[in-house]
Amino acid sequence: ETGVTQSPTHLIKTRGQQVTLRCSSQSGHNTVSWYQQALGQGPQFIFQYYREEENGRGNFPPRFSGLQFPNYSSELNVNALELDDSALYLCASSVDRGHGYTFGSGTRLTVV
Amino acid sequence: GQQLNQSPQSMFIQEGEDVSMNCTSSSIFNTWLWYKQDPGEGPVLLIALYKAGELTSNGRLTAQFGITRKDSFLNISASIPSDVGIYFCAGQGLNNAGNMLTFGGGTRLMVKP
Repeated sequence: ETGVTQSPTHLIKTRGQQVTLRCSSQSGHNTVSWYQQALGQGPQFIFQYYREEENGRGNFPPRFSGLQFPNYSSELNVNALELDDSALYLCASSVDRGHGYTFGSGTRLTVV
Repeated sequence: GQQLNQSPQSMFIQEGEDVSMNCTSSSIFNTWLWYKQDPGEGPVLLIALYKAGELTSNGRLTAQFGITRKDSFLNISASIPSDVGIYFCAGQGLNNAGNMLTFGGGTRLMVKP
């Protein structure tokens, strides 16, 4: 059974640029959630995708957007990057929006 | 911002000692979860609690879902060096934002052999 895989593992971007992060969900999981984890803090919910539609959103501005594909993989896009966007971005997959989240290892984004 | 208050923020203990950490919330949750995160990795689920008052064990780990549904604790007995890491509580409740997880700020555990 393949777990949640995220790419890239590390990324450095310049303020104002755009970035796309990718996530492949665990086999059999149809729901993907994205979380932002700033250094020294707990993860914060960005949004969730279920059956290719956004199923809930946390307190993040519209420049954070996402997609889910028919194979349940997902992308997180961030436009107009700001320094405070520097964080570990975690993807978690589950079955039917259920409790059993499996997290990936994350993408470490640094904005300079 | 985060709604869960997790304490202590860090602990430095001797191998073999027991550990206790807790989480309180201003909101009610339907589910409480405890995760462990190692450096460079995502959180890994340790214990899930689904009913108020529930006490659940997983090996040396024991967690309880508070009766008020606004708190939870995690105990680790007879700590070992591989227990080192950051422990997070998370609450989950059905709301307009899907079944999102709300995380505490974490407890950093350090174990001296």
